[in-house]
Amino acid sequence: SSELTQDPAVSVALGQTVRITCQGDSLRSYYASWYQQKPGQAPVLVIYGKNNRPSGIPDRFSGSSSGNTASLTITGAQAEDEADYYCNSRDSSGNHPEVVFGGGTKLTVL
Amino acid sequence: EVQLVESGGGLVQPGGSLRLSCAASGFTFSSYAMSWVRQAPGKGLEWVSAISGSGGSTYYADSVKGRFTISRDNSKNTLYLQMNSLRAEDTAVYYCAKESVVRGVIYYMDVWGKGTTVTVSS
Repeated sequence: SSELTQDPAVSVALGQTVRITCQGDSLRSYYASWYQQKPGQAPVLVIYGKNNRPSGIPDRFSGSSSGNTASLTITGAQAEDEADYYCNSRDSSGNHPEVVFGGGTKLTVL
Repeated sequence: EVQLVESGGGLVQPGGSLRLSCAASGFTFSSYAMSWVRQAPGKGLEWVSAISGSGGSTYYADSVKGRFTISRDNSKNTLYLQMNSLRAEDTAVYYCAKESVVRGVIYYMDVWGKGTTVTVSS
């Protein structure tokens, strides 16, 4: 099975823009989806597909992709955006379909 | 309200068994594939297993293949994970999640439960 690679940690100044990236071969076939997880809470879907936000997700969250890399951008980061962010996608490179998650990126808002 | 509620976690000795349940409400359960995802203490998310809406197709991560069995009862809107031969490394919070797939290339988990904790220790 393939893997998804994320930077372990990223920081951003309050109100600035930050990009979190995710790399992997499966992203050449499938769009990434992105999840926000705060301590002690379940993950929450924030971006899926080309650039789709579920209801209730602020429009400062956006997604993009190119080749084997997907990106989550937060434009005007807020204190409440401090969290772990995970990408995931389906993976069909093996003998059977699987699902893969990136290792996660811890976002610190300064 | 769309909701998933897990139950069945607890403390179990190595080599033991446990069955997790996930009760779904607020959506047509049988129309959606479902997954189990776990998170070991201080670690990232790990996909464990998935099952199609009908229950006819099941998929497993290599780390649990042959030990875990996913199933569902669409008449009860409930997802299950039977875990046998448990190991210390299976210790984690286990989440169930509703899957969606669009045009075969957009895959995401749009609803998650709050999780149930499994601890494997003697």
